[in-house]
Amino acid sequence: DAMVIQNPRYQVTQFGKPVTLSCSQTLNHNVMYWYQQKSSQAPKLLFHYYDKDFNNEADTPDNFQSRRPNTSFCFLDIRSPGLGDAAMYLCATSTTRGSTEAFFGQGTRLTVV
Amino acid sequence: GQNIDQPTEMTATEGAIVQINCTYQTSGFNGLFWYQQHAGEAPTFLSYNVLDGLEEKGRFSSFLSRSKGYSYLLLKELQMKDSASYLCAVRDPSDDYKLSFGAGTTVTVRA
Repeated sequence: DAMVIQNPRYQVTQFGKPVTLSCSQTLNHNVMYWYQQKSSQAPKLLFHYYDKDFNNEADTPDNFQSRRPNTSFCFLDIRSPGLGDAAMYLCATSTTRGSTEAFFGQGTRLTVV
Repeated sequence: GQNIDQPTEMTATEGAIVQINCTYQTSGFNGLFWYQQHAGEAPTFLSYNVLDGLEEKGRFSSFLSRSKGYSYLLLKELQMKDSASYLCAVRDPSDDYKLSFGAGTTVTVRA
């Protein structure tokens, strides 16, 4: 059973049209991450939550926002997508209670037209 | 800040062994992860080290030395399907458990 679920798997949006990507988890993990990954590059951390504490990477554009209304859900909002924002967006979760791996969702492939 | 380094590319022959090194410099440490990623897919978990030493899982092993800020992933009995990108990631509790990745190592297995 999938433990970190990202919806949708594929998203096509128009240039400049706001888009929201979602991530949900059934693991009750207190840390959630959003990464952007472009072709042949490593995942780039955009931001992460430790419980409700939001951590924004210094080089994450203002165009990217996030919300975590509760432990299970996390959203990535792109306010005005540009062509350069086309990428795979990965959500991951982790826990500070005990030693365990970080779990990834299947990713959302975003296309901007 | 965080700095995680790994080689860009490695090539090996089917049936051989390949070792992928990863060095890191982070403010804090709460585990080092190795992931495998095939093109267009999400990363798949391979191993996790939080204490010094060797962790073995079938054909894959991972080693950690915290004092040296060093890890390696050992892939034995290479198969064609092992051609992929291998990502080293470090979790830092001093930065709210930030999980940062190295640039990834592309491994190509040749017949």
